Amino acid sequence: DGGITQSPKYLFRKEGQNVTLSCEQNLNHDAMYWYRQDPGQGLRLIYYSQIVNDFQKGDIAEGYSVSREKKESFPLTVTSAQKNPTAFYLCASTPRRHTEAFFGQGTRLTVV
Amino acid sequence: AQSVTQPDIHITVSEGASLELRCNYSYGATPYLFWYVQSPGQGLQLLLKYFSGDTLVQGIKGFEAEFKRSQSSFNLRKPSVHWSDAAEYFCAVGPGYGGSQGNLIFGKGTKLSVKP
Repeated sequence: DGGITQSPKYLFRKEGQNVTLSCEQNLNHDAMYWYRQDPGQGLRLIYYSQIVNDFQKGDIAEGYSVSREKKESFPLTVTSAQKNPTAFYLCASTPRRHTEAFFGQGTRLTVV
Repeated sequence: AQSVTQPDIHITVSEGASLELRCNYSYGATPYLFWYVQSPGQGLQLLLKYFSGDTLVQGIKGFEAEFKRSQSSFNLRKPSVHWSDAAEYFCAVGPGYGGSQGNLIFGKGTKLSVKP
């Protein structure tokens, strides 16, 4: 089955630690996205990538970093610089511009 | 500025009753329009989309939406709600054909509760 796989589903981090969220897709989509979701806030774009080895900041990129070394993978690192990292993180992909996004099942990150 | 507004944060309807969720957008050109549904702790699933043509679009699970250009609206409707429809619903807009590169813009969501 084609789809987007996010792992892990739940993640706990101590303050001051970096943590990496995984996102893999086997849909052969060109573009991939990371969103952050907080209650009542909708989805806010963190980073996106239209092609391999290229990515752009979204609306709330501070404290996050990404890489796009392979078409199917777009990991997100939440760094210690992110002051309020507890949230639900969603990865998405699109086959090309002007089409709908396909979403993974999300990773819930909690800082303890 | 581009934006999507879902005026209702939370709606409660009785099972079997009709449903309408509102979505208004502000966009420079004719956008592509989407409705997504999210169950708690899950990702988003596409319900329906409007790209062009007939302004009344049919989606999955018995949902439909109507694009009204004059009102900049794309409201989601269902004639008879089922208990399994309880979820959060998100409206989104994206650049239409010929538009400049851009990403989907999401509303803040409407949470739907269903009374037995």
